[in-house]
Amino acid sequence: GAVVSQHPSRVICKSGTSVKIECRSLDFQATTMFWYRQFPKQSLMLMATSNEGSKATYEQGVEKDKFLINHASLTLSTLTVTSAHPEDSSFYICSASKTGLGTEAFFGQGTRLTVV
Amino acid sequence: GENVEQHPSTLSVQEGDSAVIKCTYSDSASNYFPWYKQELGKGPQLIIDIRSNVGEKKDQRIAVTLNKTAKHFSLHITETQPEDSAVYFCAASNPNTGGFKTIFGAGTRLFVKA
Repeated sequence: GAVVSQHPSRVICKSGTSVKIECRSLDFQATTMFWYRQFPKQSLMLMATSNEGSKATYEQGVEKDKFLINHASLTLSTLTVTSAHPEDSSFYICSASKTGLGTEAFFGQGTRLTVV
Repeated sequence: GENVEQHPSTLSVQEGDSAVIKCTYSDSASNYFPWYKQELGKGPQLIIDIRSNVGEKKDQRIAVTLNKTAKHFSLHITETQPEDSAVYFCAASNPNTGGFKTIFGAGTRLFVKA
């Protein structure tokens, strides 16, 4: 199967700082990637759709200035949590679908963000 | 938009018994229904999926059924083992929403008792 790699797997940052999370499709090209957020014992909530070469599409209630998404190439999307606060602490997961093929989404291993 | 409901939220079974998790979806345009297993601290792993042109699919101890008319689909795990213990998510994907974004159910925490 296809591999999606997320980095870092864990990060701790201070309140007010920004954190960047990378999502890479290692062996396929992904025109579209998705970013999810998961609180403890809850489901994955879609935050935004990352489109290569264009602006991301954010779900209702997600602040685009707070969660900056950049999809500069067909294999890399980044999520930057700006001016992080403790309430931003969560598990962030990305997924990617192969360009032009099927509907299966491949998920990264997730990034545990803790803001102190 | 799409809404996926999943039941039960928690399921406890004895090793060797079967486990059934049920989901319903709202958008009749959805045509791809994956199931994911998520272990603690990890991303979801696809375990089986079904497309709308198929009513049933089986892979060893795991099977999925789909009723398009009723807009519901189910996961069946037979001969459960302790290592099946995890959180399971159903999901629905609609090709018309662009890029096949996946909407997840709330999840089912499965406990398999040895």
